[in-house]
Amino acid sequence: GENVEQHPSTLSVQEGDSAVIKCTYSDSASNYFPWYKQELGKRPQLIIDIRSNVGEKKDQRIAVTLNKTAKHFSLHITETQPEDSAVYFCAPRRAGGKLIFGQGTELSVKP
Amino acid sequence: EPEVTQTPSHQVTQMGQEVILRCVPISNHLYFYWYRQILGQKVEFLVSFYNNEISEKSEIFDDQFSVERPDGSNFTLKIRSTKLEDSAMYFCASSEAPGQYGYTFGSGTRLTVV
Repeated sequence: GENVEQHPSTLSVQEGDSAVIKCTYSDSASNYFPWYKQELGKRPQLIIDIRSNVGEKKDQRIAVTLNKTAKHFSLHITETQPEDSAVYFCAPRRAGGKLIFGQGTELSVKP
Repeated sequence: EPEVTQTPSHQVTQMGQEVILRCVPISNHLYFYWYRQILGQKVEFLVSFYNNEISEKSEIFDDQFSVERPDGSNFTLKIRSTKLEDSAMYFCASSEAPGQYGYTFGSGTRLTVV
């Protein structure tokens, strides 16, 4: 079946440092690769996504890189701020299919 | 910006009781989804729905669960006889088309079964 794994499960950084979270998936038919941010008690919010024909996408301090051959994609956050503290989920999907969430990475940014 | 709205925000029910969770998808969207998240765990797919029928469902979505679009605006999830392990946050989402890559989650209903 489909398998999605995230690493690390927890990540603690100092404010201003960079954070990288990696997501590995098994379904080779996946063609859409989003990252969601979830604050405590709230809904998952889409923060960045990438499609299978693109290798990298950047939006201000966040970026996503995709390696389809190796079946993994990563979230990069630069110049981290305390408000970046949250749980981050990757959720790859195939066209028309369901999102398959990873187990989440709890990011803590210390002031 | 259009939103998916869910009611109630929190529901407490006794084990064995029926509950109905309600969602109002974004108005021009045709595809609807339910996901759930047990406290501290990942988000899990339950069911997708299009053209008044289920498109796909997960193993979690057993005979105790059903979905319905009773009118032109609401999309509901019914749990017939709740169990303690049904306690979770339930998120609704909608999209214009299955090929639309992303979709937005509603704010969720926290279901507590006692």
